[in-house]
Amino acid sequence: SQTIHQWPATLVQPVGSPLSLECTVEGTSNPNLYWYRQAAGRGLQLLFYSVGIGQISSEVPQNLSASRPQDRQFILSSKKLLLSDSGFYLCAWRELAGVETQYFGPGTRLLVL
Amino acid sequence: KNEVEQSPQNLTAQEGEFITINCSYSVGISALHWLQQHPGGGIVSLFMLSSGKKKHGRLIATINIQEKHSSLHITASHPRDSAVYICAVGQGAQKLVFGQGTRLTINP
Repeated sequence: SQTIHQWPATLVQPVGSPLSLECTVEGTSNPNLYWYRQAAGRGLQLLFYSVGIGQISSEVPQNLSASRPQDRQFILSSKKLLLSDSGFYLCAWRELAGVETQYFGPGTRLLVL
Repeated sequence: KNEVEQSPQNLTAQEGEFITINCSYSVGISALHWLQQHPGGGIVSLFMLSSGKKKHGRLIATINIQEKHSSLHITASHPRDSAVYICAVGQGAQKLVFGQGTRLTINP
């Protein structure tokens, strides 16, 4: 069966510090991968998606970036965090060719102070 | 105006009540999803539908493509159903657009 992992679960970082959040998927090959953010009191927003290694599409301009160095690994990064980067970050996957159902990871709660 | 609107934003009910959460959208979609987010933040996909009605246990989801409207029903609600329920519409192969969510609280 497929599982999706995210770490860390919780992170408190000062403004201006770098960020690296990791997401890995097990039990599937060549999945579509997604990064979402849920800011306090707001709905989920798609940040990035990837259809393959090294292929990243950005949905919104921001100071975040994403990379996919391996088939089942998706990384969200920032060189300098802003206060507005605080939120709940969710990684998700879906089969490349198949139904649209997306499966979500447990999330990372980020607080930028 | 958001592309996906949910109502109500908050709903409190007594155990056993029949629950309805509504979702309206203003864009063309490939499919509509209902998700459940528990207090810890984890999200579970409940339904994906593009027409008609689906049922899973005490949960029922319906969609009316012409009216661009979907409903999620919970029969015989239970405190463990307390969560945020999120409607999302699929646009093309990659993008999901999410509603703001409905916070449901079921009191014993």
